Amino acid sequence: GAVVSQHPSWVICKSGTSVKIECRSLDFQATTMFWYRQFPKQSLMLMATSNEGSKATYEQGVEKDKFLINHASLTLSTLTVTSAHPEDSSFYICSAPSLAGGSYEQYFGPGTRLTVT
Amino acid sequence: RKEVEQDPGPFNVPEGATVAFNCTYSNSASQSFFWYRQDCRKEPKLLMSVYSSGNEDGRFTAQLNRASQYISLLIRDSKLSDSATYLCVVLPNTGGFKTIFGAGTRLFVKA
Repeated sequence: GAVVSQHPSWVICKSGTSVKIECRSLDFQATTMFWYRQFPKQSLMLMATSNEGSKATYEQGVEKDKFLINHASLTLSTLTVTSAHPEDSSFYICSAPSLAGGSYEQYFGPGTRLTVT
Repeated sequence: RKEVEQDPGPFNVPEGATVAFNCTYSNSASQSFFWYRQDCRKEPKLLMSVYSSGNEDGRFTAQLNRASQYISLLIRDSKLSDSATYLCVVLPNTGGFKTIFGAGTRLFVKA
C-alpha cells in the first residue's frame, strides 16, 4: 500500500519557538493532504486541508497564522506551529487520500508528537 | 447532531467474545464508508472498507444500511490484540476527499 511519512516523529521545543513538521507521500502524488491534531484520550480533530499550489483550508477555530501550512509539491506538505506554547503539545498526524485503482483510501503518516516546554 | 456518531464505549469484553460497534451518519448522500483502527499513540490504520452488500474479512464483518444511515462492525472471537479504538469514517458526496471521522469506540479485550 501507499506510504506517507512524517518527520520528525517527535520533537521537544521551548515555548515561543516554531516547529516545522513535514508530511510526504512516498509513492504517490497527493494534491490534497490533511492535518489532524489529537490530544490524549481524545478523538482526531481535523485542523486543515492542505492543497498543492494554493492556500490551505482551515477548520473553524484553527488559527491559520499560528498553524502555517505549505504544500509546495505533489508529495510534500509542511505544518509549522509558530510561537509554540505548552497547550500546543499534542500528536499531529497528516494523511493523504488516494484513488489508486478507483477506490478511495486515506493513508496516514505515523504522526509527530510535539512537546512544548 | 454530529455528522458521524459512535458509541464511545469503552467496551470491555473477554477473549473469545463477539462484539459489535455501531455508527450512524447524517449525510444521506455519503458515498464511501470505512472502519479504521487506532492503537494508543499510533496513527489510524484502515481496517476495512464497508460495501453496500456487506463484507467480511476473517473475524471482522462490516455492514452498511443506507436506508437507516447506519454502519456496523462485528468482531468475532475477540483477541487481546483487538484492543484498540475503532473509528467509523464517512466520505461525503461533496466531490472532495475530506472524510468525516467518528469520535471512536474504545475496545478492551481481557484474558
